[in-house]
Amino acid sequence: GAGVSQSPSNKVTEKGKDVELRCDPISGHTALYWYRQSLGQGLEFLIYFQGNSAPDKSGLPSDRFSAERTGGSVSTLTIQRTQQEDSAVYLCASSLETSRTDTQYFGPGTRLTVL
Amino acid sequence: GDSVTQMEGPVTLSEEAFLTINCTYTATGYPSLFWYVQYPGEGLQLLLKATKADDKGSNKGFEATYRKETTSFHLEKGSVQVSDSAVYFCALNRPDSNYQLIWGAGTKLIIKP
Repeated sequence: GAGVSQSPSNKVTEKGKDVELRCDPISGHTALYWYRQSLGQGLEFLIYFQGNSAPDKSGLPSDRFSAERTGGSVSTLTIQRTQQEDSAVYLCASSLETSRTDTQYFGPGTRLTVL
Repeated sequence: GDSVTQMEGPVTLSEEAFLTINCTYTATGYPSLFWYVQYPGEGLQLLLKATKADDKGSNKGFEATYRKETTSFHLEKGSVQVSDSAVYFCALNRPDSNYQLIWGAGTKLIIKP
């Protein structure tokens, strides 16, 4: 079946603009995670959704970052007033459920470049 | 807090050489352990996983054993190929935090023909 998809694959924006990144998880997966992969920081957790609710937003780096998930499926990560340090690859992953043994499946990522 | 430490790269080997990439962890509770691989220009793919102590994960000739006594999950392969060139990430999931993944820094593997 279809894997996790993300759009756009690349996004170049100017400092101070807002951007929206989209994630379409594997159908039927209830858990959804956002991570960020950057040169200086490696891979870091941003936010977790179970269904439509986001019980864990602890990884969001600032209040410029927000995310929502609608219908228990598609998720959007929004970054307001982008800064150059926001440049990174943003990865979305989904898993069937939230459990110790479950596997997270990753999308191809969105490469964000803030000029 | 929970953390994963893996050997720095790049690791450069000749084809058919034996591979070991070291990974050690600190964790509270009982996480599962994972190796993910990122081939050039591609996304992260699960390579193998182990969900409890002494479990061995294996896939595509790679193996790793969950060693609780040494808090390790070293990746091994008996005979590497050029096509194994990639970046390898060791990770654990946090049972006390919705199983979010905590990552090692990644090890770039270069296999020369």
